[in-house]
Amino acid sequence: NAGVTQTPKFQVLKTGQSMTLQCAQDMNHEYMSWYRQDPGMGLRLIHYSVGAGITDQGEVPNGYNVSRSTTEDFPLRLLSAAPSQTSVYFCASSYSRAGGQPQHFGDGTRLSIL
Amino acid sequence: GQQLNQSPQSMFIQEGEDVSMNCTSSSIFNTWLWYKQDPGEGPVLLIALYKAGELTSNGRLTAQFGITRKDSFLNISASIPSDVGIYFCAGNGGNFGNEKLTFGTGTRLTIIP
Repeated sequence: NAGVTQTPKFQVLKTGQSMTLQCAQDMNHEYMSWYRQDPGMGLRLIHYSVGAGITDQGEVPNGYNVSRSTTEDFPLRLLSAAPSQTSVYFCASSYSRAGGQPQHFGDGTRLSIL
Repeated sequence: GQQLNQSPQSMFIQEGEDVSMNCTSSSIFNTWLWYKQDPGEGPVLLIALYKAGELTSNGRLTAQFGITRKDSFLNISASIPSDVGIYFCAGNGGNFGNEKLTFGTGTRLTIIP
């Protein structure tokens, strides 16, 4: 049982480039989310999804797009990378959206924008 | 919005010592979660608390949901080298879903040889 799988683990981009961070879960979870982790700050929600075909913005959505065509996959797209998007990105999933449902996290993608 | 204050920011202890950390929120919470993050990995859930006053253990770890519903505590007894990492609290209140989960800034635990 793989849980939540994120790829790639590391990526370096130039300013203005675009890329997609992949996230897949094999637990049949309804709720999936993307967070960014920056030094000295708690995890901040970028986008989330409560099921296939349904997505919504979190706390810091600007510069990112998401889609949820299947229950398993929830990719995060950087439209035009900026140095401020240098961060560690985590994908997470939980059985449902209900508050307090423990979320399972992937191992993260470490992204540097030059 | 909900805000969390987690303390201490870092701890330097010797193996075998007990550890205590806490989180305080600006508003009443219905759920408190404690996660641990090892270097290069994602957070892993340690303990979940859903009721004021609740005291829950997971091996050498014990967490409590404060009576005021605005704080939570995590204790680690007899620390060992594998306890090294960053510990995060998280929680939310009202009828909010996981999209309103707020995370603390973490407590970094280091064991001095």
